[in-house]
Amino acid sequence: NAGVMQNPRHLVRRRGQEARLRCSPMKGHSHVYWYRQLPEEGLKFMVYLQKENIIDESGMPKERFSAEFPKEGPSILRIQQVVRGDSAAYFCASSAREAGEQYFGPGTRLTVT
Amino acid sequence: DQQVKQNSPSLSVQEGRISILNCDYTNSMFDYFLWYKKYPAEGPTFLISISSIKDKNEDGRFTVFLNKSAKHLSLHIVPSQPGDSAVYFCAAEDGGTSYGKLTFGQGTILTVHP
Repeated sequence: NAGVMQNPRHLVRRRGQEARLRCSPMKGHSHVYWYRQLPEEGLKFMVYLQKENIIDESGMPKERFSAEFPKEGPSILRIQQVVRGDSAAYFCASSAREAGEQYFGPGTRLTVT
Repeated sequence: DQQVKQNSPSLSVQEGRISILNCDYTNSMFDYFLWYKKYPAEGPTFLISISSIKDKNEDGRFTVFLNKSAKHLSLHIVPSQPGDSAVYFCAAEDGGTSYGKLTFGQGTILTVHP
């Protein structure tokens, strides 16, 4: 499978727990983006990363959210102390260059109970 | 502040006819525009894009038109097929200062009837 991979596809967490979402970009892609889609809304940009660097985190909530894209391994979006309002679909995308079309993974649906 | 707007939540079209999906934007710094199609429980699939130096781009049944003065773009699908039924999102990028950050519209649900 040469596409963007995300896991898990579904994640259920209780309020106060931590959520870790993983994303493996397409082969040959070194640019990774995270977006969030709340119910009945469009996708909202969260963060743009290259290997070991955060390029733009202007869409990330100031607290509890962090992202990384290490030299080896997948990109991780981490949400600490989850609240009900974090329930959403989280999509990862990747691209071969810094501008242009982005290719999306299937998403992780986070439910906070 | 909704910088990219898709004012029609839904569109219904007969198979074989043309589907026209519209998108308006407010940020004059946007210089690259994309259309994505999304099925339920899947990620968005890239369809077609256009740079601000062009006013039209075609790819098979899909054509995107850009009117910079009106800050408006549209996606034409002809002929429409039942498999085109999905949610369509337009997205825009400011390649000068915010490259990599796509701003999406709210989406339009397209239904193509056999």
